[in-house]
Amino acid sequence: SQQGEEDPQALSIQEGENATMNCSYKTSINNLQWYRQNSGRGLVHLILIRSNEREKHSGRLRVTLDTSKKSSSLLITASRAADTASYFCATDAGGYSTLTFGKGTMLLVSP
Amino acid sequence: GAVVSQHPSWVICKSGTSVKIECRSLDFQATTMFWYRQFPKQSLMLMATSNEGSKATYEQGVEKDKFLINHASLTLSTLTVTSAHPEDSSFYICSADRGSKNIQYFGAGTRLSVL
Repeated sequence: SQQGEEDPQALSIQEGENATMNCSYKTSINNLQWYRQNSGRGLVHLILIRSNEREKHSGRLRVTLDTSKKSSSLLITASRAADTASYFCATDAGGYSTLTFGKGTMLLVSP
Repeated sequence: GAVVSQHPSWVICKSGTSVKIECRSLDFQATTMFWYRQFPKQSLMLMATSNEGSKATYEQGVEKDKFLINHASLTLSTLTVTSAHPEDSSFYICSADRGSKNIQYFGAGTRLSVL
């Protein structure tokens, strides 16, 4: 079963606006990652946040993690048309190397 | 760094034939590689975990004899879809783990169409 559930499923915004995507998961995790996928391509790692961290920044990305609510959010500030893609959260549980991916949010940024 | 090459990017084959997909880590050694399947507008479904020099670990519901995985070296894993049928048509993606923070590096994917 899917570990992560993102919402919204789809998000459409204008360039310059901020985009916020949320991810919920069910079991305890070691870390949570966000990946981006352009249409018909592989995934690209964006950012990783450990279970003992609450917030992390990388460029225009800001990730928060609330382990008590088993949820995370990804904020993309000052969005660009090139940010148009699907975004997935992925969780890593226990000592295993496998990741479980959420269903993803499709982001469309219009010029 | 951390480039993963997947080949071919697109393949069309007739029903009943076998198709081999290659996944190579170009600038690092990957003891573990992963194979995923993705249906349109859906998430990635892990099919199997491939470890160099040992048998792959398949996820529940994935047919081992249907999807043959070989990880013969630290830089190459292959997925062979045997006796492909139209229902096997999908987007297959591989990834490799450098062993650092459990971040996976993905190939560009292979779109398989079985006629």
